[in-house]
Amino acid sequence: GEDVEQSLFLSVREGDSSVINCTYTDSSSTYLYWYKQEPGAGLQLLTYIFSNMDMKQDQRLTVLLNKKDKHLSLRIADTQTGDSAIYFCAESMWSGGGADGLTFGKGTHLIIQP
Amino acid sequence: DVKVTQSSRYLVKRTGEKVFLECVQDMDHENMFWYRQDPGLGLRLIYFSYDVKMKEKGDIPEGYSVSREKKERFSLILESASTNQTSMYLCASSGSANTGELFFGEGSRLTVL
Repeated sequence: GEDVEQSLFLSVREGDSSVINCTYTDSSSTYLYWYKQEPGAGLQLLTYIFSNMDMKQDQRLTVLLNKKDKHLSLRIADTQTGDSAIYFCAESMWSGGGADGLTFGKGTHLIIQP
Repeated sequence: DVKVTQSSRYLVKRTGEKVFLECVQDMDHENMFWYRQDPGLGLRLIYFSYDVKMKEKGDIPEGYSVSREKKERFSLILESASTNQTSMYLCASSGSANTGELFFGEGSRLTVL
């Protein structure tokens, strides 16, 4: 079955880069996503990558996808206190029109040290 | 912007009570979902719906039911609440014309005493 794994915690110093890693098992995933959840709030989509891409960059965010190893990472450059949140990796086999939903990892708590 | 609104942010109910959690989306999305979120367990899919009056079980449907009478509204029902249903409940929606991403509401934190 589908499974998405990620570390539960990551601690970084303010100003450093944060790298959050994720592995997934389903090789037929079409899209992979990173969501951010701030305390007491719902999840917000940060970025996504299509499975035929290796990398996607969006300002301070860089997503790397190694499809062979089924490994996804999110790099946040110049980490700020506002980046403190839970980050969820998710996968989808969505191919248009269906309602399969996403399979989520358990989330990585990003802790920023001053 | 897509807006998914959950009617109650915080609820406290007693064991055995019937509980309704309401969710409304304003983007004419076909698909709607209910997840629960628990520490250390992440998000688990309870039910989803891909059309009015249609519903599908997710991974943990036991103890829950849903209703989708209108396209914009998806309700989660706990027929007889139990303490192990104390959780954060997240509603989400998605359309067929985008890349499959889900848009989430702010969540409803339910405590069952």
